Amino acid sequence: AQSVTQLGSHVSVSEGALVLLRCNYSSSVPPYLFWYVQYPNQGLQLLLKYTSAATLVKGINGFEAEFKKSETSFHLTKPSAHMSDAAEYFCAVTQNSGGSNYKLTFGKGTLLTVNP
Amino acid sequence: DGGITQSPKYLFRKEGQNVTLSCEQNLNHDAMYWYRQDPGQGLRLIYYSQIVNDFQKGDIAEGYSVSREKKESFPLTVTSAQKNPTAFYLCASIGKVSNTEAFFGQGTRLTVV
Repeated sequence: AQSVTQLGSHVSVSEGALVLLRCNYSSSVPPYLFWYVQYPNQGLQLLLKYTSAATLVKGINGFEAEFKKSETSFHLTKPSAHMSDAAEYFCAVTQNSGGSNYKLTFGKGTLLTVNP
Repeated sequence: DGGITQSPKYLFRKEGQNVTLSCEQNLNHDAMYWYRQDPGQGLRLIYYSQIVNDFQKGDIAEGYSVSREKKESFPLTVTSAQKNPTAFYLCASIGKVSNTEAFFGQGTRLTVV
């Protein structure tokens, strides 16, 4: 079984400060991992994805994430927060659920607030 | 432009009525998914389909039904058996599954009164 745990349902930072959003996964096989962002009343947009090519993944809007197998983590970071980064962020994992079926499972999300 | 379209954006229904949410994609994607989103609970998987005429239950399938008669379409019916149907519903599609990202529609907010 696969699961994704996001530590902290709400993170608040000052503009210009480091953003760190935590994600841990449990998986019996190497996972494919994703971070998505959601603005109010909209669908989700991909920030970045890990598919085993490189452990440090760079995404859009200055975000990056590092896959650490030993820690089963895939934390999202950004060196300097901008007001426009305020949104909800979701970590997700894809894993084979039998035959040719793949489940895409999400964490519960982290709401990022950026203070001026 | 290719994309995934959900309609309507807002939907109001009386308690006890079935309602069908539309999801259409022109991305030629094989897999399609339906999620339910409630505050503080993230996205919970309702149903998913990897190929036409085949679909699997997700984690919260009770009270919902789907069909996949065409590759482009994956409608979700919220039946009267769903005890708490008011929520934000998101549809997604994936091209080659496993390592490619999902594309999402803009969602349908269903309110049952």
